[in-house]
Amino acid sequence: DQQVKQNSPSLSVQEGRISILNCDYTNSMFDYFLWYKKYPAEGPTFLISISSIKDKNEDGRFTVFLNKSAKHLSLHIVPSQPGDSAVYFCAAREIIQGAQKLVFGQGTRLTINP
Amino acid sequence: SQTIHQWPATLVQPVGSPLSLECTVEGTSNPNLYWYRQAAGRGLQLLFYSVGIGQISSEVPQNLSASRPQDRQFILSSKKLLLSDSGFYLCAWTMGYNEQFFGPGTRLTVL
Repeated sequence: DQQVKQNSPSLSVQEGRISILNCDYTNSMFDYFLWYKKYPAEGPTFLISISSIKDKNEDGRFTVFLNKSAKHLSLHIVPSQPGDSAVYFCAAREIIQGAQKLVFGQGTRLTINP
Repeated sequence: SQTIHQWPATLVQPVGSPLSLECTVEGTSNPNLYWYRQAAGRGLQLLFYSVGIGQISSEVPQNLSASRPQDRQFILSSKKLLLSDSGFYLCAWTMGYNEQFFGPGTRLTVL
């Protein structure tokens, strides 16, 4: 059972426009959500996170929105730049027996067109 | 600052051969350590995690095992590789409940 879903495997956006990546989850015990960016043959790098007690977190061009009632979060990138082309993973955290576990979505490949 | 190393970077192994992937973390003490696998076109699947030396939690039944012989060393092993073990293996660490930081990964191809 996929607890974290990214239903769009790919997204193509014009440079300078807004990129919106979506993520849905099913487990209401998740208390923290993260977005990672991954280039081919590299490990993911942390981008931005949000606690379940907030509905928005902003860091430069990146903003994450959380809608707890809908169990939905989104990552907005504005303006989009060619260097943003990568695979983006949404992750949700749960704490089990004192250990943090992240559950990842399948990823969305973002392509920024010049 | 903290850094995480994985080796080898790439590996091609025949079916039935053993496997040993190593991960080490520098610049921190008593981290939580994780092994993930990304199969082709798939997301990241958590395989094992460890909150201390000698402590291993397994997420899914599989052909792999993990060990943590030292505080900052995490090893992923198999006695006999299967074709389905091919993938991109990632080690990650965290302190407490903060974000996880990933290593560069190992690309494993089983032929």
